[in-house]
Amino acid sequence: EPEVTQTPSHQVTQMGQEVILRCVPISNHLYFYWYRQILGQKVEFLVSFYNNEISEKSEIFDDQFSVERPDGSNFTLKIRSTKLEDSAMYFCASSTSRTEPSYEQYFGPGTRLTVT
Amino acid sequence: GDSVVQTEGQVLPSEGDSLIVNCSYETTQYPSLFWYVQYPGEGPQLHLKAMKANDKGRNKGFEAMYRKETTSFHLEKDSVQESDSAVYFCALSAFNAGNNRKLIWGLGTSLAVNP
Repeated sequence: EPEVTQTPSHQVTQMGQEVILRCVPISNHLYFYWYRQILGQKVEFLVSFYNNEISEKSEIFDDQFSVERPDGSNFTLKIRSTKLEDSAMYFCASSTSRTEPSYEQYFGPGTRLTVT
Repeated sequence: GDSVVQTEGQVLPSEGDSLIVNCSYETTQYPSLFWYVQYPGEGPQLHLKAMKANDKGRNKGFEAMYRKETTSFHLEKDSVQESDSAVYFCALSAFNAGNNRKLIWGLGTSLAVNP
């Protein structure tokens, strides 16, 4: 069964450093998303991406964040200068369509980012 | 704005007990409603869904009815098993101004079934 994969599973970085979180969405999917989950809190939408551009971003997704689909298979989230409060689990998701009645997002296993 | 409120914290039934996890939503749109389940070390997985009012989502003995009149989507099961233990998230999917969907999540309910 096709699945979304994410690497690394755990990333530890120092405050101020840049990190890149990687995702490989399901191959025939067209819509891509990043969410984050701070420990013990709700899952929060960060950004959606379609046709090589951002469709929507939340207020969390400020200038320190960027997304890219560099090669047609990977989907990356970059944080330019990490802060302690960026420590969270980051989930990538993908879907085939934004309008189909049985719309569903498929999630990867997540990358745990720890900023020290 | 859109929001989802669900039973918070931990629910600790014994095996064989019935279960209700409450979920209420708020939106100006006509959302689709979902329950996602998350096991330790994994990402959320779709557990069940309902696309429109009066639809009932079903999966592995769990059910949830999309009730527009009470804006609710409570998760129910007659007899829980230890293997049901996980975190359950209620979520709604609504269109934004750009005609794209995003998921709005509740805080999650941790179900720990005592054997």
